Amino acid sequence: QLQLQESGPGLVMPSETLSLTCTVSGDSISSSTYYWGWIRQPPGKGLEWIGSIYYSGSTYYNPSLKSRVTISLDTSKSQFSLRLTSVTATDTAVYYCARQVTWERKFDPWGQGTLVTVSS
Amino acid sequence: QSALTQPASVSGSPGQSITISCTGTSSDVGDYNYVSWYQQHPGKAPKLMIYEVSNRPSGVSKRFSGSKSGNTASLTISGLQAEDEADYHCSSYTSSSTFVVFGGGTKVTVL
Repeated sequence: QLQLQESGPGLVMPSETLSLTCTVSGDSISSSTYYWGWIRQPPGKGLEWIGSIYYSGSTYYNPSLKSRVTISLDTSKSQFSLRLTSVTATDTAVYYCARQVTWERKFDPWGQGTLVTVSS
Repeated sequence: QSALTQPASVSGSPGQSITISCTGTSSDVGDYNYVSWYQQHPGKAPKLMIYEVSNRPSGVSKRFSGSKSGNTASLTISGLQAEDEADYHCSSYTSSSTFVVFGGGTKVTVL
């Protein structure tokens, strides 16, 4: 059964870089059928797609975050990672990783999520 | 502001049916049959309930059904149960550079 688990600091200082890793178990991260995506949810708000990566390394980013986001893949460790630079309080959110079907863009399954707070 | 528009809240009594709407544009919901619905209980990760407008993943109750008309997709929950109280989010494939879009979420309350 496929499982995804986010990991990383729960507190990040303003203007610094948020870094999270998603570890995938139970399936190959090198499948051509899927993207691997990051989604976030600010407290009390809706879901926002951050970006996705294909097994080949091709990346797709939300235009509103593109200048600050980097997603990378480490197939040897079955992990993919998120870097978000120059964070502010508005980046405070629960960050989820998820597997994404390429042709229809649905996310399934999701990791449990990790809360990242941006504060000094 | 979310790309897809959902009502903030919907409520119903046990046993009743409720419908949640999700309105997009011809660049997403209107032009593609790739609408998904997610259920999210407080403090939990979203769970896929409907994909490709009306398909249910294995294990999802038949009480959940999806449909689409024009630029608006809908999720119907029939025979409402207490366990259905949660937030529901729609999403859609989009031809824009946004890749995938979400709605703002709808809180379902079982009275």
